[in-house]
Amino acid sequence: QSVLTQPPSVSGSPGQRLTISCTGSSSNIGAGYTIHWYQQLPGTAPKLLIYGNSNRPSGVPDRFSGSKSGTSASLAITGLQAEDEADYYCLSYDSSLSAWVFGGGTKLTVL
Amino acid sequence: QITLKESGPTLVKPTQTLTLTCTFSGFSLSTSGVGVHWIRQPPGKALEWLALVYWDDDKRYNPSLKSRLTIVKDTSKNQVVLTITNMDPVDTGTYYCAHTMGYNTGYNWFDPWGQGTLVTVSS
Repeated sequence: QSVLTQPPSVSGSPGQRLTISCTGSSSNIGAGYTIHWYQQLPGTAPKLLIYGNSNRPSGVPDRFSGSKSGTSASLAITGLQAEDEADYYCLSYDSSLSAWVFGGGTKLTVL
Repeated sequence: QITLKESGPTLVKPTQTLTLTCTFSGFSLSTSGVGVHWIRQPPGKALEWLALVYWDDDKRYNPSLKSRLTIVKDTSKNQVVLTITNMDPVDTGTYYCAHTMGYNTGYNWFDPWGQGTLVTVSS
């Protein structure tokens, strides 16, 4: 059971918009710690997608965006493409655990 | 350009100690604010943070594994070594190291990551 809760899977058709949620608590997201999002393509290392809740590293398409509210955060993907099919993870810090914690991961399927 | 690469044994026996090395380039662990994390991922499962060492030798460990983990930096060799004692089949997975930067613990991200190294624990 992960400290940060993500839906196990989401799916959408090309061109659609979808969101992936990451729900935490008052000791992590709700405490003000920032959320970061990673994309992991099959057989590869995670790649930074969003940092500091809503910032995109250079080279990440603006189809990807992040937001945070209260004890939850969301990753939004617009104009869904086949190449977006991957696992997505959220990351934050938990003050009760004194540890960095990942969400359980969400598998995105492009129909 | 920052790069990291993990190395170590691909197969260890239960109860043995695993030693993994992260060799990096493009940054120095003597630079203020810099750190290196270790993260692992069992096959088909989620990522799990293991440990962090900062430029000033401040070390942090996952509380659930702390008694088994040791992280050490060798600034002159641009390496960070993680040892895990008493390995068990449940420790099987891909082990990654990652760069981090910043002074405010809890607000910094891991980027970039190494390619990872798969470790299997089996007799």
